[in-house]
Amino acid sequence: EIVLTQSPGTLSLSPGERATLSCRASQSVSSSYLVWYQQKPGQAPRLLIFGSSSRATGTPDRFSGSGSGTDFTLTISRLEPEDCAVYYCQQYGSSLPLTFGGGTKVEI
Amino acid sequence: QVQLQESGPGLMKPSETLSLTCSVSGASITSAYWNWIRQTPGKRLEWIGYTHHSGNTKYNPSLKSRVTMLVDMSKNHFSLRLDSVTAADTALYYCARWDEGLKAFNIWGQGTMVTVSS
Repeated sequence: EIVLTQSPGTLSLSPGERATLSCRASQSVSSSYLVWYQQKPGQAPRLLIFGSSSRATGTPDRFSGSGSGTDFTLTISRLEPEDCAVYYCQQYGSSLPLTFGGGTKVEI
Repeated sequence: QVQLQESGPGLMKPSETLSLTCSVSGASITSAYWNWIRQTPGKRLEWIGYTHHSGNTKYNPSLKSRVTMLVDMSKNHFSLRLDSVTAADTALYYCARWDEGLKAFNIWGQGTMVTVSS
């Protein structure tokens, strides 16, 4: 099983600041199968980034994803108050199970 | 617009069998792979497995011995059965659509809370 470790656990920043969220995999993950979700309180997760760097429909361009191999990053270039949420990475590889990281909470 | 809606028992006792249904609207149940994912009280997400109208199913090895997923094409819904539940199965259960092009879950239900307590 591929374990995804997200850091930091909580990120406290001010509006307009840049947020950098890390997702580290215990084994190499294809960039095509690394995904980021955003979950706001009381809501289901929402697809944010797929294929490690492609924005899903409706994702603002202040969100960007990058990385390869075992290290992936989600960057929010200029934080807005509505970006308060927990962000999860997820991988789908050639071997099951599909796994999620533990999440990073962004506080603004 | 594709929408998913979970339904389930809410409160259960240990050793009982959990049965959940996910109703699909706005799309045919034959159009995708359909998944169950749960979120623990600690907010950890765990993939339970997927099912397909062809009969193809895959389960998380950690739950495989207790899980059964089925598609009902006549009702355009799919189901999850989890045997012999314990308190560790207490979670918010989501159904989700896997988009083969995006390689991601692009549609989620709102979730249904299942609590296992004696």
